[in-house]
Amino acid sequence: DAGITQSPRHKVTETGTPVTLRCHQTENHRYMYWYRQDPGHGLRLIHYSYGVKDTDKGEVSDGYSVSRSKTEDFLLTLESATSSQTSVYFCAISDPVTTRDGYTFGSGTRLTVV
Amino acid sequence: DAKTTQPPSMDCAEGRAANLPCNHSTISGNEYVYWYRQIHSQGPQYIIHGLKNNETNEMASLIITEDRKSSTLILPHATLRDTAVYYCIVRPFSSGSARQLTFGSGTQLTVLP
Repeated sequence: DAGITQSPRHKVTETGTPVTLRCHQTENHRYMYWYRQDPGHGLRLIHYSYGVKDTDKGEVSDGYSVSRSKTEDFLLTLESATSSQTSVYFCAISDPVTTRDGYTFGSGTRLTVV
Repeated sequence: DAKTTQPPSMDCAEGRAANLPCNHSTISGNEYVYWYRQIHSQGPQYIIHGLKNNETNEMASLIITEDRKSSTLILPHATLRDTAVYYCIVRPFSSGSARQLTFGSGTQLTVLP
C-alpha cells in the first residue's frame, strides 16, 4: 500500500541466525503493528507500538523483539530464528485522528527459516 | 472484544451483489463493526466500519441491524477482483489507545464468472 513499505519482501535464513524485518511509513501515523500469518491460525499480533520508543507485546511475542527509534520505522527482530518462525509477516499502521482508526497493511515479508 | 461469527465460504456471480453476513450478538454499546478483506498473498485491506447507522463508501455498504447483533457487508456489483477472504471485526474505537485488531477466520468469497 502507498505510504507503508516492508523490507525485505522475501528472505531465506538459517536456523539460529538473527533476522531483522523493517517497516517504513510515510504517513506519520502514531501506531504501528507487526502481525504474522500462518495457515490455520490467521493473523496474529506479535508486537505493537503506540509511539517512538513505546512498544508492547501481542499474543505471540516470544522469540521476537521490536524497536521504534523514529516515527516512520518499526523494526522486528528474530533474535535466533527457528523453523516455527517461518511465516508471512505483515506490518500495519493506524492513527485514530487521521484514519478513523482504519488500519493500512503492508505487502508482507515472506520469511523462510531452514 | 465481542466475538463474531461468519460463514466460512460464499459464492457470488460476477456483476451481482455480494452480501456477506456477520453475527456479533455480544456486541457492546461502544463497539464498532469493522470489515477488512485479504486478497490472496496481499496484506489485509480496510473496507468500512460503523457503529449503528448504515454506512456507504466507494467500496461497499454496511448494514447494521437495529439491535446491532448482526451486520451485512454489501458489495453492490461484485467483480472477479473481489474474490478474497472477508473479515468482520468488532472492537471499541481506539480513542487514543493502540487497540489492536483481532482477526477471526473470515469468509472466503469467490466471485464466479
